[in-house]
Amino acid sequence: KAGVTQTPRYLIKTRGQQVTLSCSPISGHRSVSWYQQTPGQGLQFLFEYFSETQRNKGNFPGRFSGRQFSNSRSEMNVSTLELGDSALYLCASSLGTSGGASTDTQYFGPGTRLTVL
Amino acid sequence: GENVEQHPSTLSVQEGDSAVIKCTYSDSASNYFPWYKQELGKRPQLIIDIRSNVGEKKDQRIAVTLNKTAKHFSLHITETQPEDSAVYFCAAPSRDDKIIFGKGTRLHILP
Repeated sequence: KAGVTQTPRYLIKTRGQQVTLSCSPISGHRSVSWYQQTPGQGLQFLFEYFSETQRNKGNFPGRFSGRQFSNSRSEMNVSTLELGDSALYLCASSLGTSGGASTDTQYFGPGTRLTVL
Repeated sequence: GENVEQHPSTLSVQEGDSAVIKCTYSDSASNYFPWYKQELGKRPQLIIDIRSNVGEKKDQRIAVTLNKTAKHFSLHITETQPEDSAVYFCAAPSRDDKIIFGKGTRLHILP
């Protein structure tokens, strides 16, 4: 099976702009979760989508949003970018049958490295 | 709020020796404890996980132990090899089903 893919791999934006990241899960996986990875904060949970619905959300401001399509592909959007949004954004897919991403094996994509200037 | 603390943040061991990384969690209801390995420039990958109904799980040179009373779980790597050099993350679910990761341990295997 093909692994989790993310596009684009690299992005450079300026403050105030918005950005959309895309994630294609492993075939058959219905849950997609997003994480922000920074050297200082490690891996932080953004949100989880299952069957086109947001199932859970981390402690990030409303500028961070996402959605999931009927084919389980997911997008994440960050509006009004700030310098502190520079990070590696990872998505992960899982079967989604055990009740939530917190108790499912997560299969990570390669990430999108976002740089905000 | 819920927290997962991971120690040490950096660990250097001689090749062939053992490495142990420990995580503590705060929510006594947590029932799933995965460990992920992230090599430089690569994505995190699950290396082993344990559910709360067992106390230990082994997979070749890697083992995880769980102490539910003390609310901690540990990763043990025996006979370390150069390819074990990476950052290791533990994780646990929070009370509201969010996954919380430890801050990571950078493991260096010395020749």
